[in-house]
Amino acid sequence: AQSVAQPEDQVNVAEGNPLTVKCTYSVSGNPYLFWYVQYPNRGLQFLLKYITGDNLVKGSYGFEAEFNKSQTSFHLKKPSALVSDSALYFCAVRDDQTGANNLFFGTGTRLTVIP
Amino acid sequence: DSGVTQTPKHLITATGQRVTLRCSPRSGDLSVYWYQQSLDQGLQFLIHYYNGEERAKGNILERFSAQQFPDLHSELNLSSLELGDSALYLCASSVSWEYLNYEQYFGPGTRLTVT
Repeated sequence: AQSVAQPEDQVNVAEGNPLTVKCTYSVSGNPYLFWYVQYPNRGLQFLLKYITGDNLVKGSYGFEAEFNKSQTSFHLKKPSALVSDSALYFCAVRDDQTGANNLFFGTGTRLTVIP
Repeated sequence: DSGVTQTPKHLITATGQRVTLRCSPRSGDLSVYWYQQSLDQGLQFLIHYYNGEERAKGNILERFSAQQFPDLHSELNLSSLELGDSALYLCASSVSWEYLNYEQYFGPGTRLTVT
């Protein structure tokens, strides 16, 4: 069975500082990992994905994520945080049981960027 | 704007009632996924349809059902509603379930409140 864990419910960071939102995963096969962001009263927006290839994945809005197989982690990062980055962030892994491509989501991390 | 539309945006109904939520996928997308987002359960996969056929089921209650029509829009039917069914119901679409590289694009959701 597959799962993802987001160990931090809340992350606070000052504007201009680097940010990291943590995610660890557990899968029986190859990991297919995703990050989504949700703004208030909105659906989820796709940020980036790891399927195969380079361990550093670049995505939308200046975000990137580092895949680490030995630590089973897929942390989301940004070199310089903006106030507008404040939102709810979800890590997700593709269902590796049915192969139907549905996603299992973590519990979410609320990021607050302080001006 | 992801291109996925959901109606209605908000729905308030009483316990025991039945409602229908509608989702139109992005143009060209054959797969539709339904998710439920609540404070108690987080983001949970409900069901996946591909080109009119059910592909995978998640934590979907027997009181809930879905279908995908020939024009590819999908409807999620919720019956005998209970207070605990109050949640944000999200629809997502992707081109196919077969190609592992295709990420899901989410609609803005339908906020269901059961009173």
